[in-house]
Amino acid sequence: GAVVSQHPSRVICKSGTSVKIECRSLDFQATTMFWYRQFPKQSLMLMATSNEGSKATYEQGVEKDKFLINHASLTLSTLTVTSAHPEDSSFYICSGKQGTNTEAFFGQGTRLTVV
Amino acid sequence: GEDVEQSLFLSVREGDSSVINCTYTDSSSTYLYWYKQEPGAGLQLLTYIFSNMDMKQDQRLTVLLNKKDKHLSLRIADTQTGDSAIYFCADHSGGYQKVTFGTGTKLQVIP
Repeated sequence: GAVVSQHPSRVICKSGTSVKIECRSLDFQATTMFWYRQFPKQSLMLMATSNEGSKATYEQGVEKDKFLINHASLTLSTLTVTSAHPEDSSFYICSGKQGTNTEAFFGQGTRLTVV
Repeated sequence: GEDVEQSLFLSVREGDSSVINCTYTDSSSTYLYWYKQEPGAGLQLLTYIFSNMDMKQDQRLTVLLNKKDKHLSLRIADTQTGDSAIYFCADHSGGYQKVTFGTGTKLQVIP
């Protein structure tokens, strides 16, 4: 299957700083990227959906000014957690897909710890 | 909105078969996935089934889809201790272009 490379896999940052997570589709053009968040012992919750070249669509309850998503190219999407706080500590996973009725491919995830 | 449900926990003995069940609500599902997540790790895609299929077999894994009842199952034959993990089913709704995950089933394999 296709590959989505996500990094960093782990990051520790100080409270108040910003962290950028990158997802790259290595062998396909990701026209749509999804960003998920997973709280401990819980399932993955969709945060936002972005189509290349357009503004991301955020799910209800997700602060768009805090979780900045950029999808400027067909192979790269970034999630920036701004002014991070300890409650932002979580596991973040991206997935990308090409086209409409196609499968989505997931990155390996980023474990963010805010201290 | 879309809802995907799974039982939270399953315990089996090594060598037995495991069956993990999942129900979903969206009738416009196109793909249904099974993912494995080991402690502290990301998601590993195990298998997926297209919505016009009833069954898919891949080595020790068998996926059954009952589209009428919106029920999906994953059978792991000859379960091994290395199969211990959390298994997520996920529903890709083509109309909404997003993937909704189930709550995850923690599989414990007893030696």
